Formats: sequence, C-alpha cells, structure tokens
Amino acid sequence: KAGVTQTPRYLIKTRGQQVTLSCSPISGHRSVSWYQQTPGQGLQFLFEYFSETQRNKGNFPGRFSGRQFSNSRSEMNVSTLELGDSALYLCASSLAGGVRGTEAFFGQGTRLTVV
Amino acid sequence: TQLLEQSPQFLSIQEGENLTVYCNSSSVFSSLQWYRQEPGEGPVLLVTVVTGGEVKKLKRLTFQFGDARKDSSLHITAAQPGDTGLYLCAGGGGSQGNLIFGKGTKLSVKP
Repeated sequence: KAGVTQTPRYLIKTRGQQVTLSCSPISGHRSVSWYQQTPGQGLQFLFEYFSETQRNKGNFPGRFSGRQFSNSRSEMNVSTLELGDSALYLCASSLAGGVRGTEAFFGQGTRLTVV
Repeated sequence: TQLLEQSPQFLSIQEGENLTVYCNSSSVFSSLQWYRQEPGEGPVLLVTVVTGGEVKKLKRLTFQFGDARKDSSLHITAAQPGDTGLYLCAGGGGSQGNLIFGKGTKLSVKP
C-alpha cells in the first residue's frame, strides 16, 4: 500500500513569490491535513480537507490556502511569501480525521526555503 | 486553547539506559497518539491510546494514557541508537477538530 506522497521535496523561493505544494494521500483516505513545522513552534495545524471541503482551519493568515480534488489529492498554496514561511510543510492523511482524531499518516514533507 | 506540554525538551543518554518522556495537558482528549520523527522526514505513528489508564507495549516502548485522559507517558527500556529521534505526542478531539501536537522531545542515544 503506497504511503502519502508529497511533492516537491525541496523548494527555494524568493520573498513575494507564491508556491503550490502537492499531497497524494493513502488510497481510500478522504481526509488530508496540512501542518507547518519549524524548530521554534513545532507542528502547527494549517487546515484539513475532507471530501473536497475545508473542514477545519488553524490560525494562519489568508495567504495560506488549500484545496482538495475529487480523487482526494490536495494542494496547498502560499501567496506573497515571507521569510518566516520557511519551514517543513507536512501533509497527513487519515480515514476520517475530524473530532475523533483518527490516526494520521504523514508524508516526507516539503522543505520550503524563502530567500 | 488546548496545549500539550512535553518534557523534557531534550534528552541525551547512553545506550542501555532507560528513559521516560511525558506529555501533559489541562484538557481532556478523546485519544492520544505518539509519533517518532527523524530529521528531514515526516512523523511516523507509533501508537494510539484511547481509554483512560490504558497501557500499550511496543517491544521496548511502553505507552500509558492517564486515567483522566489528560496526560501520557512513553517509557523506553534499554535505549538503543536506533531510538534516536523527535518524539511527538498528539491529542485527538481538538477544538478545531484537528490533532493537537506537543513540541516534542528530542532524544539522542549514544553508543
């Protein structure tokens, strides 16, 4: 059974640019969550998508957005990049997600560096 | 705001020693999970505990969920260099419907 696939693995962007990250969940998983991980703040929840709808959202500015397609694949977009957006972005898939907090299976992450 | 506090933040021990990592909160969680993350990789799920007082064993790792479902501990017996990594606890049933993660315990086991 294939795991969660995130692309690209590494990305270098310039301040002010925008970026799109992709995540393919485990087959059969309908929930995809995105997290930002930095050394100082740890893992911070960005948003969760379930059946193409954003179901939960963390406390991030509107520059961070996402979507989910009918095949459960998800993309995350960050516009007007800032230096502070440099982080490891992790995608996690689960069967249901939501308030039952079911088990999350993570991809390897995308390391974004903003210069 | 629901928070999970992990302690200690850093732990450096010799191979063969025992250790315990703690995960505490003032909030009740419907479940609690432990993950291990290696540098440059995503976290890997180790275990999920859902019942207050539950104890689960995974080889040399013992996980316990507090009776009130507000805290958890991870005990490693006879640590090995392969146990090195960042250990994260995560609580299910967050107010935003997401998993709440602690900041992690960075464990280094020296041969």
